[in-house]
Amino acid sequence: DLEMTQSPSSLSASVGDRVTITCQASHGIDDYLNWYQQKPGKPPKLLIHDASNLERGVPARFSGSGSGTHFTLTINSLQPEDIATYYCQQYHSLITFGGGTKVE
Amino acid sequence: EIQLVESGGGLVKPGGSLRLSCSASGFSFSDFGMNWVRQAPGKGLEWVSSISNNSEYIYSGDSVEGRFSVSRDNAESSLFLQMNSLRVEDTAVYFCVRLRVSQGYAFDYWGQGVLVTVSS
Repeated sequence: DLEMTQSPSSLSASVGDRVTITCQASHGIDDYLNWYQQKPGKPPKLLIHDASNLERGVPARFSGSGSGTHFTLTINSLQPEDIATYYCQQYHSLITFGGGTKVE
Repeated sequence: EIQLVESGGGLVKPGGSLRLSCSASGFSFSDFGMNWVRQAPGKGLEWVSSISNNSEYIYSGDSVEGRFSVSRDNAESSLFLQMNSLRVEDTAVYFCVRLRVSQGYAFDYWGQGVLVTVSS
């Protein structure tokens, strides 16, 4: 089975900080990777599709990069409303989510 | 406005069964693949099952294979999840999710979720 490993599992940052979250696939998945943001008590929200394509309406401070097995989600200049848990998700082989990164 | 509304959750004993429903509106339901994704309390997301727009292709995760069955009724714009032989570890919020295949293959709309609790 294809596994997705996110790191760190949690992080603490301040407003204005640059935050980087990584996602490692156990096998190459080309760019078949999406990123989601989930706030407490809410369903996830799609942020980035196909590794680096920003979803319409998502602030430009969010960006994604990577291909193959290593991917990153970057938040430039963290804002208070970005406090959430972030998940990567691959669709190269069925569907698998990473374990999540809680940004506090 | 696109809406996905789940129903059918509740408390069930281990070994029991439950059927979840998802009512879709605001889009052409028969044009989209649909999925169930679950989240155990305080845990991460886990994909459960997928069904193509015409029900031709159905896939499920290893943890529910043989116990859960996904289906849909395009005439009623409804998605279902039949859950049998339920286990304590199936306790989770279950989300009904639309799969977009244009502009990327991604889960673009999610319901609010329905809680399933498996406990004796």
